[in-house]
Amino acid sequence: DIQMTQSPSSLSASVGDRVTITCQASQDISNYLNWYQQKPGKAPKLLIYDASNLETGVPSRFSGSGSGTDFTFTISSLQPEDIATYYCQQYDNLPLSFGGGTKVEIK
Amino acid sequence: QVQLVQSGAEVKKPGSSVKVSCKASGGTFSSHAISWVRQAPGQGLEWMGGITPSFGTANYAQKFQGRDTIIADESRSTVYMELSSLRSEDTAVYYCARDRTDGGNSYDAFDIWGQGTMVTVSS
Repeated sequence: DIQMTQSPSSLSASVGDRVTITCQASQDISNYLNWYQQKPGKAPKLLIYDASNLETGVPSRFSGSGSGTDFTFTISSLQPEDIATYYCQQYDNLPLSFGGGTKVEIK
Repeated sequence: QVQLVQSGAEVKKPGSSVKVSCKASGGTFSSHAISWVRQAPGQGLEWMGGITPSFGTANYAQKFQGRDTIIADESRSTVYMELSSLRSEDTAVYYCARDRTDGGNSYDAFDIWGQGTMVTVSS
């Protein structure tokens, strides 16, 4: 099974800050990597698919990059509504697997 | 726009089974894979398995193999997930989620999610 390691597990930043989350796969997954946002009590929401493609309707301050084993998710300018937990997910191999999540808070 | 509507919360005894439904409305159903993802309280997301209704064959995470059954009823635009031999560790919110890609018997990104079904296992 492919293990997905996300870091940090939590972070605190100010409104307007640039926020970066990393996700490392235990083996090469090409660009088969997605990013989700989950707010408390809600289902996850797809933000980025195929490592760098912005899902329709998602603000452009969200972006993703990387390939192989190392991936990065960035919020260019943190907004109050971005408070959530973010997850990466690989789909190169079954079973699909998620990173452990990164909880983003406002400082 | 497709919506996925799940059945309501369940409370079950250890050793029993639970069956959760996920009904699609408002769009195509059969050609997109539907997965089940669970989230224990305060924990992360875990993929359990999935099915593409038009293909009919389900895939399971090995952890749940033998205990988990996923079936699709195309006539009702509904996918079911049944988990047996429940234990306290199965207490979680169970989500169904639709694959973004239309067609093919594979899985990628989940673009539409159900509202979640809380399953509590307690004696």
